[in-house]
Amino acid sequence: DVKVTQSSRYLVKRTGEKVFLECVQDMDHENMFWYRQDPGLGLRLIYFSYDVKMKEKGDIPEGYSVSREKKERFSLILESASTNQTSMYLCASSPRSGGEQYFGPGTRLTVT
Amino acid sequence: GQQVMQIPQYQHVQEGEDFTTYCNSSTTLSNIQWYKQRPGGHPVFLIQLVKSGEVKKQKRLTFQFGEAKKNSSLHITATQTTDVGTYFCAGRDTGGFKTIFGAGTRLFVKA
Repeated sequence: DVKVTQSSRYLVKRTGEKVFLECVQDMDHENMFWYRQDPGLGLRLIYFSYDVKMKEKGDIPEGYSVSREKKERFSLILESASTNQTSMYLCASSPRSGGEQYFGPGTRLTVT
Repeated sequence: GQQVMQIPQYQHVQEGEDFTTYCNSSTTLSNIQWYKQRPGGHPVFLIQLVKSGEVKKQKRLTFQFGEAKKNSSLHITATQTTDVGTYFCAGRDTGGFKTIFGAGTRLFVKA
C-alpha cells in the first residue's frame, strides 16, 4: 500500500510566521503535489514536482514555495503566513505523469 | 485555461435511491479520474478512464467517459449510507501535464 504522511494533522500559526509543511511518501514516486482544499472550491494545485529539485507552479502559487531535496520528501513553505492561508493542505504523490494520485491525511492550518 | 466543472454541488438521497454526478471539461482530456473523500478524510483514488466511450464498473458504481473525451459521469445504484462523502473527478488536458480537479459533489444518504 502506498503511504503518504504529513507532518501535522493540525497546526496553528500567527500572521507573519514562516510555516513548513512536510510530506513524505514511501513508494518511490516521481511526482508529488501540494493542494489546498477550501469549502466549495475543491482541490486547488499550489505546486508540484516531477523529480528531485524540480518544481512547477500550480494554479495558486502566490505566497508559497516548495522544496524537494530528496525523492520521498516534498515540503511546502509559507514564507509569511496570512489569515487567507487558513485551509486544509493536502499532499499527494503519483507514480507517473497524469496518473492516479495518493493523498496524505492533510494538515488543517489555522493562521490567526 | 482548462476547467473541469462538476454538478451537482450537493445531492441528498434516500438510502436505496440512485445517484449520478457529472463532470464536464472545457477541453479534451487524455484521461479522467474519480476520487472519493469521506467526511473528515482525504481523497481516495477510485478509478481512471482513458478511452473514448469507456465504461467501467466497480460493484454498484458505474463510470463513463464520453465519446468526445470532454465529459464523464459516476452513477451509484441503490445508494447505501457507506456511500456518503464527496466525489471528485479529475481530468488531464491532452496538451498539458497537469491534472485539474472538479469542485466535487457531496452526497448525503438518509437511512
